[in-house]
Amino acid sequence: DSGVTQTPKHLITATGQRVTLRCSPRSGDLSVYWYQQSLDQGLQFLIQYYNGEERAKGNILERFSAQQFPDLHSELNLSSLELGDSALYFCASRGQGHKDTQYFGPGTRLTVL
Amino acid sequence: QKEVEQDPGPLSVPEGAIVSLNCTYSNSAFQYFMWYRQYSRKGPELLMYTYSSGNKEDGRFTAQVDKSSKYISLFIRDSQPSDSATYLCAMSALSGTYKYIFGTGTRLKVLA
Repeated sequence: DSGVTQTPKHLITATGQRVTLRCSPRSGDLSVYWYQQSLDQGLQFLIQYYNGEERAKGNILERFSAQQFPDLHSELNLSSLELGDSALYFCASRGQGHKDTQYFGPGTRLTVL
Repeated sequence: QKEVEQDPGPLSVPEGAIVSLNCTYSNSAFQYFMWYRQYSRKGPELLMYTYSSGNKEDGRFTAQVDKSSKYISLFIRDSQPSDSATYLCAMSALSGTYKYIFGTGTRLKVLA
């Protein structure tokens, strides 16, 4: 158990809908990273938050947004969903030391029908 | 050209074999090198972490980093069927974000 939690585990929805994925980092970690993993692609970095502020952006679509709250949990919002958005979405958290590394949650499996 | 290249496999080996998994990269700024193991539909689990160059050993696992060749390896000794999983390499530069770039993963199957 990495200490990172994600809810829900599975999400099935229809095209055009909006969903919210939730992540709670390990106790004491200020950084949260979001990744997308499709069947034919590896882990793609989406966005990073550090102590409530956006720190880095990757290949995140404009239809996607995220935020980190004062209690450090983070939410990833996906809107106007398309079939191609079906994937596993992982969050990871990281400590503050330069030698710290990322610990991943169990993921949310999103299926868009 | 991708920043990180990894052979997707699948790689099938008999139980007890030594497994060698590799990644190459193009960004000379990478300083942090990680190997994650991912079982089907589960979250990646950190196996090995190396800062800068050199070797690191942990039980049956050895990670090697050759920065001059931009090449990293993970060796698994006495492989077990429970080692069957996808192995992902990841790298990061020394920066404020510590954003990771992942390889696509190598699928390993250890046959009993």
